[in-house]
Amino acid sequence: KNEVEQSPQNLTAQEGEFITINCSYSVGISALHWLQQHPGGGIVSLFMLSSGKKKHGRLIATINIQEKHSSLHITASHPRDSAVYICAAPRGGGADGLTFGKGTHLIIQP
Amino acid sequence: DAGVIQSPRHEVTEMGQEVTLRCKPISGHNSLFWYRQTMMRGLELLIYFNNNVPIDDSGMPEDRFSAKMPNASFSTLKIQPSEPRDSAVYFCASSYFLASGGGETQYFGPGTRLLVL
Repeated sequence: KNEVEQSPQNLTAQEGEFITINCSYSVGISALHWLQQHPGGGIVSLFMLSSGKKKHGRLIATINIQEKHSSLHITASHPRDSAVYICAAPRGGGADGLTFGKGTHLIIQP
Repeated sequence: DAGVIQSPRHEVTEMGQEVTLRCKPISGHNSLFWYRQTMMRGLELLIYFNNNVPIDDSGMPEDRFSAKMPNASFSTLKIQPSEPRDSAVYFCASSYFLASGGGETQYFGPGTRLLVL
């Protein structure tokens, strides 16, 4: 079973700062997921990546398969980026149910 | 597309009562997942189905929990009898699984917030 570790657990930053959230997993995987959960509770999938880097707006996700490590970056952070960011990996490594990190609670102050 | 639909959105019940949570996946998706979120344990997988067949139910906490998927557009998660420790947010998610692929984006429903008194 995959184990997913995420850091930091809490992060407070000023608007405009560059944000990095890290994730490591124990079992080789087909793809890693980054999710966002807003205060209202809804969960949105941000990225699913199996290699290299993906970019969507101000969000960038990278993965190093050999090191079993992924990072989520936010450039020019904004208060609306405040949310919980969750890293998740397939339980058995393939395409199946997810094992989740504990999440990073991000607060961006104006 | 309406996305993944869950009902009810909120449920308050008394210990010992039966609770049924419902999920309608996105049309065309062939994988469905039930997750539970609590403050103590975070998000955890309960069970998932592929083509209406349960594939992995190792996350179902005990026999009080059961899940069914009678067809491609409907699934239920039932708790009987319910206990206060079952209080949590229950999420349903769906995806389109390709046998040749390595995983697909999962789309989450809004969740059902369950409180067992």
